[in-house]
Amino acid sequence: DAGVIQSPRHEVTEMGQEVTLRCKPISGHNSLFWYRQTMMRGLELLIYFNNNVPIDDSGMPEDRFSAKMPNASFSTLKIQPSEPRDSAVYFCASSLQTTSGDEQFFGPGTRLTVL
Amino acid sequence: TQLLEQSPQFLSIQEGENLTVYCNSSSVFSSLQWYRQEPGEGPVLLVTVVTGGEVKKLKRLTFQFGDARKDSSLHITAAQPGDTGLYLCAETSGGGADGLTFGKGTHLIIQP
Repeated sequence: DAGVIQSPRHEVTEMGQEVTLRCKPISGHNSLFWYRQTMMRGLELLIYFNNNVPIDDSGMPEDRFSAKMPNASFSTLKIQPSEPRDSAVYFCASSLQTTSGDEQFFGPGTRLTVL
Repeated sequence: TQLLEQSPQFLSIQEGENLTVYCNSSSVFSSLQWYRQEPGEGPVLLVTVVTGGEVKKLKRLTFQFGDARKDSSLHITAAQPGDTGLYLCAETSGGGADGLTFGKGTHLIIQP
């Protein structure tokens, strides 16, 4: 079975450019999460969706960040304009919401470098 | 927001040795998960603990949840190079699909 798919795996861009990260969750999962990982701050939740609806975006650092989930099989995280401090590994995760547990399955991540 | 403290931050030991890493919070955990992350990959769930005092074993890994549900430990017996990775604890609300709050992790290196 295919796991969570993220693209691109690596992105290098210049400050001020728009960056779009993409995620395909595991088929059948109804929750999707975006996280960011840096050495200084560790792994932080940015936003999550249940049934394609954004539930909590309090972790989104600034208005430069936006996320969408137009359907159950696709989500994007956009940064516009990008800044060097946005450099990090961005992970997408998905889960099947149940009453007994909530294992999240992570994608391989997108390593973003903003010059 | 609950703050999860993990210790030690870095640990390098020889193959065959035993080790314990810790996860602590000032607040009570709803439930706690342990993940392992290898370089270039996303975290992978190892275990979920829910009940105070709970102990779970996964081969050479033993996970313990404190009686007061404010701390947890991961003990590895006879560590192997394949155990190398970043070990993360995370709080989960349990039973739902809320986002996780992670500690910064313990970077573990097992030298052959």
